[in-house]
Amino acid sequence: DQQVKQNSPSLSVQEGRISILNCDYTNSMFDYFLWYKKYPAEGPTFLISISSIKDKNEDGRFTVFLNKSAKHLSLHIVPSQPGDSAVYFCAALYSGAGSYQLTFGKGTKLSVIP
Amino acid sequence: NAGVMQNPRHLVRRRGQEARLRCSPMKGHSHVYWYRQLPEEGLKFMVYLQKENIIDESGMPKERFSAEFPKEGPSILRIQQVVRGDSAAYFCASSSLGPGGPQPQHFGDGTRLSIL
Repeated sequence: DQQVKQNSPSLSVQEGRISILNCDYTNSMFDYFLWYKKYPAEGPTFLISISSIKDKNEDGRFTVFLNKSAKHLSLHIVPSQPGDSAVYFCAALYSGAGSYQLTFGKGTKLSVIP
Repeated sequence: NAGVMQNPRHLVRRRGQEARLRCSPMKGHSHVYWYRQLPEEGLKFMVYLQKENIIDESGMPKERFSAEFPKEGPSILRIQQVVRGDSAAYFCASSSLGPGGPQPQHFGDGTRLSIL
């Protein structure tokens, strides 16, 4: 039973255009959502997060949008750069459990074409 | 990377041997998490520890797996009597707790465990 789903295994975007990565979740108890970027043979790198009390958070080229009613979030990268090519993981946690374990999606491989 | 340090990066074991994976958290972080990633899958939570305490081990297999985070030294994930299905990438993460709630977890580069 996947609680965090990334339904697009891969995405290709032209350099300079917008990349939109999507994520859906089923557990309404989740109250923090995070995006990580991962290069081969390296660990995930934290990109940006959002609390469930917000609907948008922006950091430079990265913006995360949260739609609680739809249990959906998305990561926008503008403008996309070749160095953004990586696997992007959506993750969620429920802070009230006292555990802070992250539940990950399976990832979306982004390829930014020069 | 002065962040989370994991060693070894690669570990090869034969079936039935023991595997020990080490993790030193980022400076100032007192919370350690272990995750496992199988090929083509996302990371799956295994265990959450604070110094000398296991807080949540709900993702750990009931047998052969154990974890510790002693008062001094790195956190250790130990797998006894390894089997082929234990082959995976094992990632450690660390975090602190801030006034605004849980802080983002920062990951090491992982240990790739291969079982012959």
